[in-house]
Amino acid sequence: DAKTTQPNSMESNEEEPVHLPCNHSTISGTDYIHWYRQLPSQGPEYVIHGLTSNVNNRMASLAIAEDRKSSTLILHRATLRDAAVYYCILVNFGNEKLTFGTGTRLTIIP
Amino acid sequence: EPEVTQTPSHQVTQMGQEVILRCVPISNHLYFYWYRQILGQKVEFLVSFYNNEISEKSEIFDDQFSVERPDGSNFTLKIRSTKLEDSAMYFCASIRTGLNTEAFFGQGTRLTVV
Repeated sequence: DAKTTQPNSMESNEEEPVHLPCNHSTISGTDYIHWYRQLPSQGPEYVIHGLTSNVNNRMASLAIAEDRKSSTLILHRATLRDAAVYYCILVNFGNEKLTFGTGTRLTIIP
Repeated sequence: EPEVTQTPSHQVTQMGQEVILRCVPISNHLYFYWYRQILGQKVEFLVSFYNNEISEKSEIFDDQFSVERPDGSNFTLKIRSTKLEDSAMYFCASIRTGLNTEAFFGQGTRLTVV
């Protein structure tokens, strides 16, 4: 399985943007970049995904490097409810399982 | 919004007993999964299920475990002869088609083996 590397933890102030990085230098051409988050005592929750182009949805934006070896999840205005563990996961065609790493624990400071 | 439902939310069982964890995936989804998360650790893949058969399983998913989709709506995980180390949160997930869609997770079943 292709591997991703994320910082163990990050902090951000409430109402400020948050940039969560992910390195995936061994990504293959058929790997999609998915982001999930896990709020305390809940199941993982889909955030966003992309292949090559930057993506936006109501929750976040995903910026993908031109060489696709890294990506950044952007929360435009963090709230206390965004405190969670964020996982960057590569999903390959024909192998749709999600392989979770340790993720980034995001703490929001009021 | 569609959701994956899991029952029970918490199950306590004695070591050596069999447990069945139940999941109702989203109705038009085709791929189904079980994951587990031991307290304080990462989410681990157990098994994936497609077209009424296991498509992939991890090394954790040994003969102690089995999955079934008995009636076209429920998706169950059976753990035979439970051990203390089976205590964990178990999450069910489903995906509608292939890779370019999101996975929906249930809220999990907390299994405590005593």
